[in-house]
Amino acid sequence: GAVVSQHPSRVICKSGTSVKIECRSLDFQATTMFWYRQFPKQSLMLMATSNEGSKATYEQGVEKDKFLINHASLTLSTLTVTSAHPEDSSFYICSARDRDRVGSDTQYFGPGTRLTVL
Amino acid sequence: QKEVEQDPGPLSVPEGAIVSLNCTYSNSAFQYFMWYRQYSRKGPELLMYTYSSGNKEDGRFTAQVDKSSKYISLFIRDSQPSDSATYLCAGGAGRRALTFGSGTRLQVQP
Repeated sequence: GAVVSQHPSRVICKSGTSVKIECRSLDFQATTMFWYRQFPKQSLMLMATSNEGSKATYEQGVEKDKFLINHASLTLSTLTVTSAHPEDSSFYICSARDRDRVGSDTQYFGPGTRLTVL
Repeated sequence: QKEVEQDPGPLSVPEGAIVSLNCTYSNSAFQYFMWYRQYSRKGPELLMYTYSSGNKEDGRFTAQVDKSSKYISLFIRDSQPSDSATYLCAGGAGRRALTFGSGTRLQVQP
């Protein structure tokens, strides 16, 4: 149980294009999902907290117009990197919290999406 | 000062050794702690979840929390080459996102 998927696992795009990354909780409902960014050999950097049916909460320094987050259902959140540039190249990972698991605050992570912007 | 401090390593041990991974934290509001394992180019995988001070054991893994000294540890017994990965500790409070340490790279030599 508690499986989180991400799609695509890898994407290469040209500078200036937009890229959408999907995060799905496969066997549980998640009212809250989190989006992280990770550079090589560095830890996870929280970008935003996504709550179903409401606007995402962005961390300081993260451009909300650049990284659009939509959490339209209890099992799906999307991150869209708009007008991507080479400096946006990174490993993007989502995590989800199981709504129905009483007393548990565990975050379950997806496998990550590697974005390369040429 | 980072809220969660972790030695980045790398830590290299021979197969079969007992591994000790440690973190310190500064946020007294943390109520629970987690250890994740992350293989290269993969998402973190939950290993252990602890809510109170003391020890929690699961197979070859033991998580230890000392809230009085703000110190958390993960012990791996009989380490295997397949344990080679980056280990991330994290603290959490309420419904907020976890705060992660920088991760310790572990290499178990066969």
